Amino acid sequence: AQTVTQSQPEMSVQEAETVTLSCTYDTSESDYYLFWYKQPPSRQMILVIRQEAYKQQNATENRFSVNFQKAAKSFSLKISDSQLGDAAMYFCALLETSGSRLTFGEGTQLTVNP
Amino acid sequence: GAGVSQSPSNKVTEKGKDVELRCDPISGHTALYWYRQSLGQGLEFLIYFQGNSAPDKSGLPSDRFSAERTGGSVSTLTIQRTQQEDSAVYLCASSLQGTFGANVLTFGAGSRLTVL
Repeated sequence: AQTVTQSQPEMSVQEAETVTLSCTYDTSESDYYLFWYKQPPSRQMILVIRQEAYKQQNATENRFSVNFQKAAKSFSLKISDSQLGDAAMYFCALLETSGSRLTFGEGTQLTVNP
Repeated sequence: GAGVSQSPSNKVTEKGKDVELRCDPISGHTALYWYRQSLGQGLEFLIYFQGNSAPDKSGLPSDRFSAERTGGSVSTLTIQRTQQEDSAVYLCASSLQGTFGANVLTFGAGSRLTVL
């Protein structure tokens, strides 16, 4: 069974600084997708970025980028130039090719300090 | 609709009562998911509907939980004889396809259930 682990329950960063959120996962498949979702206090889950396992190039979306290490089964999220609006709970998630469910980690609560 | 709509936004009920939570997915999305998020926890998969296929119910925690999806659109999650441990936010999501290929899940804002 697939698992996703986020070992940092809480993180904080100063506004305009860079922060990295960690995620490790386990799967027996070679093809899968990885995602980072953001959940602000409004509860609405918002997709931040996604990575296809077969692609070696790390995905980037504006200030958000990932460090995907397939052999190590690691998928960290880097937020550059942090903004107050980035404060939220961040979830790492895994979707296998053979399955239909998205498996989530426990989440990391990010605080951005002015 | 423009997004995934869930109702009610908040529901307070007494232990032992039945509750129904509704999800209206994005028009045209064939896949629909229910997840449960307990306080301070990640998201726990409950059930998945894809088109006319039999739903994947493997995540439902007990036989008190059931879900239907009528006409391939609106879904209702029913919890019978609610218990205090059922208190959580119930999130619904939909996607254009359920298959790998990745169709991104779009989530609703959730229904917060409190069982007294």
